[in-house]
Amino acid sequence: SQELEQSPQSLIVQEGKNLTINCTSSKTLYGLYWYKQKYGEGLIFLMMLQKGGEEKSHEKITAKLDEKKQQSSLHITASQPSHAGIYLCGADIQGAQKLVFGQGTRLTINP
Amino acid sequence: DSGVTQTPKHLITATGQRVTLRCSPRSGDLSVYWYQQSLDQGLQFLIQYYNGEERAKGNILERFSAQQFPDLHSELNLSSLELGDSALYFCASSGQGAGLDEQFFGPGTRLTVL
Repeated sequence: SQELEQSPQSLIVQEGKNLTINCTSSKTLYGLYWYKQKYGEGLIFLMMLQKGGEEKSHEKITAKLDEKKQQSSLHITASQPSHAGIYLCGADIQGAQKLVFGQGTRLTINP
Repeated sequence: DSGVTQTPKHLITATGQRVTLRCSPRSGDLSVYWYQQSLDQGLQFLIQYYNGEERAKGNILERFSAQQFPDLHSELNLSSLELGDSALYFCASSGQGAGLDEQFFGPGTRLTVL
């Protein structure tokens, strides 16, 4: 089983709508990273969260790490075609000093 | 452009063969990470080097090995290749610290084993 579970696995939304992607672990997360990937290309860093309760925003994307540091959410407001891609969460689980990634969420934006 | 370069971009080879993938980190970055991404396994951490020394190991097969050279570039060697080794191999680099930090990913090498 995956150490990091992402949900949903795929998401199709109408342009302009809001959406949320979740990343959950049964263990404490020491550093949670969100990346975006275009199919077959490299990963682009979006945000890093380290403290419980931390929230960061960049343009229309907001990421939060819950107080217990076991779940993170990525929220996109007023989605645009440029938001389409695969979103991956990565985390250092229990301070192992190596990143474990979720299986990814494939986001499609319909015009 | 992340500043991380990987060569070659594509590689097609046969089972049983050996290949070398090359990565040049961003200028000044001391850590290099190797990842394998396949459809069934997702993105898997293989190994990390920091300033020439192995720092952390993930799900790396014994048939695979890596090293980081004095100029900080890194190579991933894959030998006795099997069909299941077909995947995208990513290299990432991060800054001065040995601990986990924001990682900058290269464009990847797509390996196809026939």
